[in-house]
Amino acid sequence: GDSVTQMEGPVTLSEEAFLTINCTYTATGYPSLFWYVQYPGEGLQLLLKATKADDKGSNKGFEATYRKETTSFHLEKGSVQVSDSAVYFCALSEGTSYGKLTFGQGTILTVHP
Amino acid sequence: GAVVSQHPSWVICKSGTSVKIECRSLDFQATTMFWYRQFPKQSLMLMATSNEGSKATYEQGVEKDKFLINHASLTLSTLTVTSAHPEDSSFYICSASIEQGASQPQHFGDGTRLSIL
Repeated sequence: GDSVTQMEGPVTLSEEAFLTINCTYTATGYPSLFWYVQYPGEGLQLLLKATKADDKGSNKGFEATYRKETTSFHLEKGSVQVSDSAVYFCALSEGTSYGKLTFGQGTILTVHP
Repeated sequence: GAVVSQHPSWVICKSGTSVKIECRSLDFQATTMFWYRQFPKQSLMLMATSNEGSKATYEQGVEKDKFLINHASLTLSTLTVTSAHPEDSSFYICSASIEQGASQPQHFGDGTRLSIL
């Protein structure tokens, strides 16, 4: 079956540091890939997405590129802020799934001033 | 746009009672909604797919008689945890998308924290 693996957390960074959160996936077909963010006490919000190989999703300074050859969708940001502290989830949706998501385990990010 | 509202946000009740959680799409219609369960510091696990006007599709290992899902209209799905016990305590989250399809992003409710005493 489909699966998503994220790097182990938690990740702790200083403000303005570079962020990478690794994500790899296993899927039978050609999935769409997503990053969702969950701020403390809130539901999930879409951060960015990519629907085909070599697509780059970007939003709020975050980027991720759909790499079919390495089955990866790593999340990056050049300069993190305290307000980026949250839990980040990588997820995929298969073509026949009508939108249901398979999530990675989530990565807790804490950014210190 | 694309707001999904969940109610209640937090509920505490005694063991043996039934609890109903509502998921509403406020500004769009959703023929399909999804229900997830999230344990502390863990990921979201899909419980079931809620289909308007028909029976829900449950994931393997999820008791359909325990977790009753009703999707009676295009804007409302409900999850009822019947005869709840402490092991049912968890964070329940619903989602819906404006259009169906794998490439369409899901819009999530803020979740319902259920605590069974």
